[in-house]
Amino acid sequence: AQSVAQPEDQVNVAEGNPLTVKCTYSVSGNPYLFWYVQYPNRGLQFLLKYITGDNLVKGSYGFEAEFNKSQTSFHLKKPSALVSDSALYFCAVRARTGGGNKLTFGTGTQLKVEL
Amino acid sequence: DAGITQSPRYKITETGRQVTLMCHQTWSHSYMFWYRQDLGHGLRLIYYSAAADITDKGEVPDGYVVSRSKTENFPLTLESATRSQTSVYFCASSEETDMRYSNQPQHFGDGTRLSIL
Repeated sequence: AQSVAQPEDQVNVAEGNPLTVKCTYSVSGNPYLFWYVQYPNRGLQFLLKYITGDNLVKGSYGFEAEFNKSQTSFHLKKPSALVSDSALYFCAVRARTGGGNKLTFGTGTQLKVEL
Repeated sequence: DAGITQSPRYKITETGRQVTLMCHQTWSHSYMFWYRQDLGHGLRLIYYSAAADITDKGEVPDGYVVSRSKTENFPLTLESATRSQTSVYFCASSEETDMRYSNQPQHFGDGTRLSIL
């Protein structure tokens, strides 16, 4: 069975500081990994994905994520946080082969960026 | 660019009643999904559909029914609503042609907040 862990329910960071939202995963074989963001009363919006190749993936709104196979992690990062980045962030994983079509989501991390 | 729309956005009903949540997408994506979002659980897949007239169960299908007579619509029906089905429901679509090898992102609607009294 595949799973995703987001160990922090909430992350607080000051505007202008770097931010990291953590994600670790468990899957048979190689993964496809995704980050989504959810603003209040809205659906999830796709931020970025890792398929293969370069371990550092760049996405929307200045976000990036680093794939680390040995640590089975896919942490979301941004060099300089904005108040408008405050939202709920979800990590998701799918096995590249043999895992069928199921996308498994983490429980989400609430990011709060303060002035 | 309408994308994917869900209706209603908010719904209150009583236990035992039937309720249908609507989902419509304008992209002609082949795959569509229904999720429920609950605190502490993230998103859990209820049902999905690979194409018109092709549907399959997800992680938590009990108490739900889906149909897909047209590519663009994917309604979700709670045949006899229970309080445990109070949740926020999200519909999503994806353009992949074969989910076994999929790496395409899913595109989500804005959700239906359903309360069952």
